[in-house]
Amino acid sequence: EAGVAQSPRYKIIEKRQSVAFWCNPISGHATLYWYQQILGQGPKLLIQFQNNGVVDDSQLPKDRFSAERLKGVDSTLKIQPAKLEDSAVYLCASSLWAVWGSYEQYFGPGTRLTVT
Amino acid sequence: QQQVKQSPQSLIVQKGGISIINCAYENTAFDYFPWYQQFPGKGPALLIAIRPDVSEKKEGRFTISFNKSAKQFSLHIMDSQPGDSATYFCAATGRRTQGGSEKLVFGKGTKLTVNP
Repeated sequence: EAGVAQSPRYKIIEKRQSVAFWCNPISGHATLYWYQQILGQGPKLLIQFQNNGVVDDSQLPKDRFSAERLKGVDSTLKIQPAKLEDSAVYLCASSLWAVWGSYEQYFGPGTRLTVT
Repeated sequence: QQQVKQSPQSLIVQKGGISIINCAYENTAFDYFPWYQQFPGKGPALLIAIRPDVSEKKEGRFTISFNKSAKQFSLHIMDSQPGDSATYFCAATGRRTQGGSEKLVFGKGTKLTVNP
């Protein structure tokens, strides 16, 4: 079974520029998550999708971050404009959905963003 | 209420020794506690997980001990090997309510080094 795919793996941009990350979840996984992992810390959820609907985006800085999941499969996360503090690894994860819950989240390799 | 506190921040053990990492939580709504292993440049990988209806779960050399009354859980790695050298994250999440999030709340991580 193929894992969660992410691209690009690395990105370096200047502050105030924009950037987009792409994620392809495991086939059949209805739930998709974007996490931000700052160096030396655990991942922090930015947004959770159930199919193509948003379940939780309470920690997404909506003034600069946006995400979409068209057709309930692939997802993109965009930052515009980027700030220095956005330097982090952006992780995509996916999980199966069930009525009782779907807790086993599988992570992709992440995109390391450096903002200069 | 949403925090998961993890200790120690770093751990050095000799090959064949036992590695122990501890986590504590406050939110009594949490009902799923996974441990993730992360190698440099990789996304977190699910290692083992436990639900609060059991006090211990063992998979190979990895054991989770869970103390519901103390709101603590720990990871024990028996016969630690140099290949176990990685960063370990504990996490927690709660049962999905209608439309609710299943976001994982992560600890800050423990960098384990196993010396040969």
